[in-house]
Amino acid sequence: AQKITQTQPGMFVQEKEAVTLDCTYDTSDPSYGLFWYKQPSSGEMIFLIYQGSYDQQNATEGRYSLNFQKARKSANLVISASQLGDSAMYFCATWGDYNTDKLIFGTGTRLQVFP
Amino acid sequence: DGGITQSPKYLFRKEGQNVTLSCEQNLNHDAMYWYRQDPGQGLRLIYYSQIVNDFQKGDIAEGYSVSREKKESFPLTVTSAQKNPTAFYLCAVAPGTRIPDEQFFGPGTRLTVL
Repeated sequence: AQKITQTQPGMFVQEKEAVTLDCTYDTSDPSYGLFWYKQPSSGEMIFLIYQGSYDQQNATEGRYSLNFQKARKSANLVISASQLGDSAMYFCATWGDYNTDKLIFGTGTRLQVFP
Repeated sequence: DGGITQSPKYLFRKEGQNVTLSCEQNLNHDAMYWYRQDPGQGLRLIYYSQIVNDFQKGDIAEGYSVSREKKESFPLTVTSAQKNPTAFYLCAVAPGTRIPDEQFFGPGTRLTVL
């Protein structure tokens, strides 16, 4: 069964420092995608970054990058130069096995950035 | 202004009442989704629709119903059969035509059963 595991319920980071949020996945589908979403206290889910299983390079979007280690089945999100506005919940997600119609989410990591 | 709207933002209901949550989009996307989020949890899929007049059950469809009569609208009804309806409900849309088919979310509705 498809599963996403986020083992860090909460993380703290100082402003301007980099932080890594962990995500491991389990799938039997050789073709899959991994997504990261940010959820501020307002509740809306904001798409951050996507990594396809066949992508040769790690995905990057501005200050966000994805450390994709296929052999370890991990897709960690790296946020560089943290800002106070990065404080939020972060969710890792992937498609269902052989089913790109739906996303399966992890339980999330709460990131708090302090001055 | 383009995007996804969900209304109301906060909703209160008494036990035993049905209630309908609205989700409207003007992005012209084909796929629409309803998720439920409980405190400290990730999102769980309730229902989704890839095309007008068609929809599929997600992982936790019991006690919920949907309709997709128009491309831009995907209302969710929380029925009295849903045993624990208090939660945050998020609607999402996706183009449905490309990979990756990232989903874009509305602002959510927080439902509280009194």
